[in-house]
Amino acid sequence: QVHLVESGGGVVQPGRSLRVSCAASGFTFSGYAMHWVRQAPGKGLEWVGVISYDGRLSFYADSVKGRLTISRDNSKNTLYLQMNSLRAEDTAVYYCARDGDSTSVPRYYMDVWGKGATVTVSS
Amino acid sequence: EIVLTQSPATLSLSSGERATLSCRASQSIGTDLGWYQQKPGQAPRLLIHDASNRATGIPARFSGSGSETDFTLTISSLEPEDFAVYYCQQRAKWPLTFGGGTKVEIK
Repeated sequence: QVHLVESGGGVVQPGRSLRVSCAASGFTFSGYAMHWVRQAPGKGLEWVGVISYDGRLSFYADSVKGRLTISRDNSKNTLYLQMNSLRAEDTAVYYCARDGDSTSVPRYYMDVWGKGATVTVSS
Repeated sequence: EIVLTQSPATLSLSSGERATLSCRASQSIGTDLGWYQQKPGQAPRLLIHDASNRATGIPARFSGSGSETDFTLTISSLEPEDFAVYYCQQRAKWPLTFGGGTKVEIK
């Protein structure tokens, strides 16, 4: 069964750093691009960024560029989101999501999602 | 970036009624549009991709249409489990963007 499980969320002070992880199982992780999407309390979805299947390419939303970095370790079937210089407006649930495989689901749609990790930025 | 505007913000309907949700793009995106459903406390679920193609396991009462800048998600007859928030998402240009959502609530 395909699963994505986020971990590493918590409460962090403004200006500090945090790394959230996403453990994948039930599919060939190294064959898929992966996304992070966030949702502030009571708000809609905001795409954060995507990383290619091999980790060589990544794209980000302008709102996080330079502060949030996506990486992956295919040997560990794990996706990461490194968050630096955190601000109150980064408070959100962070979801990892699998990119479409271009056969059943086209690229750049998200067909499998984790349950999310909550990050709260507060002093 | 491409802005997606969803309307209405809230739709109040009863089970068995037809729901029509709109998503308008700030520039032409062809058919590069998807729809997601999100229930309280849950992650989103992909319903429709490429404007009109149902994802695996999605019931036939969900249908999508439209192209260029105007898109519609239709739920032909609302079931109790369909009351949720629906988001559109475009993949035509970076950055990927989502609409603000439409909440379908029980009247």
